[in-house]
Amino acid sequence: EAQVTQNPRYLITVTGKKLTVTCSQNMNHEYMSWYRQDPGLGLRQIYYSMNVEVTDKGDVPEGYKVSRKEKRNFPLILESPSPNQTSLYFCASSSDRDTYEQYFGPGTRLTVT
Amino acid sequence: ELKVEQNPLFLSMQEGKNYTIYCNYSTTSDRLYWYRQDPGKSLESLFVLLSNGAVKQEGRLMASLDTKARLSTLHITAAVHDLSATYFCAVDTMFSGGYNKLIFGAGTRLAVHP
Repeated sequence: EAQVTQNPRYLITVTGKKLTVTCSQNMNHEYMSWYRQDPGLGLRQIYYSMNVEVTDKGDVPEGYKVSRKEKRNFPLILESPSPNQTSLYFCASSSDRDTYEQYFGPGTRLTVT
Repeated sequence: ELKVEQNPLFLSMQEGKNYTIYCNYSTTSDRLYWYRQDPGKSLESLFVLLSNGAVKQEGRLMASLDTKARLSTLHITAAVHDLSATYFCAVDTMFSGGYNKLIFGAGTRLAVHP
């Protein structure tokens, strides 16, 4: 089954404790992206990657890091989480051959206290 | 700066009625996407509109794109409770890095009641 997976799905952590949210896709997509969703703000892009070892900042990259060492994986790293990073996070992937229609993972609800 | 505005943001509809959600955007783009999100769930792709005048229909939902007016509409016909969800439009734009990205509207929360 074609899918985007994320782990963990729920995470409660404390300020300053480094964490990683994993994302994996099995569709051989080149393009992957991380979004955060906050009430009233829609989805905002954090980082994206056009292919292995190619990443760039989205609209709200502060406080986040990413890496793309393999095509299928695109982890999101919070080196020192803060309460304003409490949000719902989505990973998405797409093939850039025809459209940029994105396939979303199930989401990770992160709470930073 | 590219902006994508949806209206209304909240919509309470009676079953059986028709309504339209509007998505306006501020820059040239030929590609627009509609997504549905159920509470606590991920986003599901509904429509991909790839050119001016494109119209797609699925069940009680019909989406259209007017790139000259920079406007897309999502029309709901004879609403049923199962359509209750949040609907997002997203515009595809190329920016200075040479890559495309999606800019999302804030979403329209639709509640269909008897």
